[in-house]
Amino acid sequence: AQSVTQPDIHITVSEGASLELRCNYSYGATPYLFWYVQSPGQGLQLLLKYFSGDTLVQGIKGFEAEFKRSQSSFNLRKPSVHWSDAAEYFCAVGRGFQKLVFGTGTRLLVSP
Amino acid sequence: SQTIHQWPATLVQPVGSPLSLECTVEGTSNPNLYWYRQAAGRGLQLLFYSVGIGQISSEVPQNLSASRPQDRQFILSSKKLLLSDSGFYLCAWGPRAGDSNQPQHFGDGTRLSIL
Repeated sequence: AQSVTQPDIHITVSEGASLELRCNYSYGATPYLFWYVQSPGQGLQLLLKYFSGDTLVQGIKGFEAEFKRSQSSFNLRKPSVHWSDAAEYFCAVGRGFQKLVFGTGTRLLVSP
Repeated sequence: SQTIHQWPATLVQPVGSPLSLECTVEGTSNPNLYWYRQAAGRGLQLLFYSVGIGQISSEVPQNLSASRPQDRQFILSSKKLLLSDSGFYLCAWGPRAGDSNQPQHFGDGTRLSIL
């Protein structure tokens, strides 16, 4: 069965520092991978997606993610974090007929 | 452009009362529609999805039901709420397609508290 693991429940990063959020997936076929961001009390906003091709994908708000098949990973990165990036981040893998399996999320805290 | 609306934003209900949450999509036709529940520390759990009017698939057995009376309307219901139904409920839509390579787009959610 498909699954997504986000090993870090919370991460604290200083403003201006770089960020990497980890995501590992388990999926038998070529995965379709997504990162979403959720601000408190809000719905989820799509940051970026990977379907095929270039394994480094660019998203909105300066985020990027790299697909590594050998490691079954799709880690999210940002070179310089802003205070407004504080939110919860979800990794997801697409499975049959447009259903998504989500990880449990990583809450990002940004310190001054 | 496409938009998705959910209401109410927050709801406080007593145990045993009925529930109706509504979700509507604008700017697209024949969308796939989804209801998720989000519990603290547990990510998002898919509850129901629908590929067309009157077509509902349930992902997990529960005290809830869903209906799709119109193409762009998706309703989550319960006849008698349980304490365990508390949570954050999210509606989402995705374009009709034959595979899983399309992202889903989410509403702003409904915070449901059962007392």
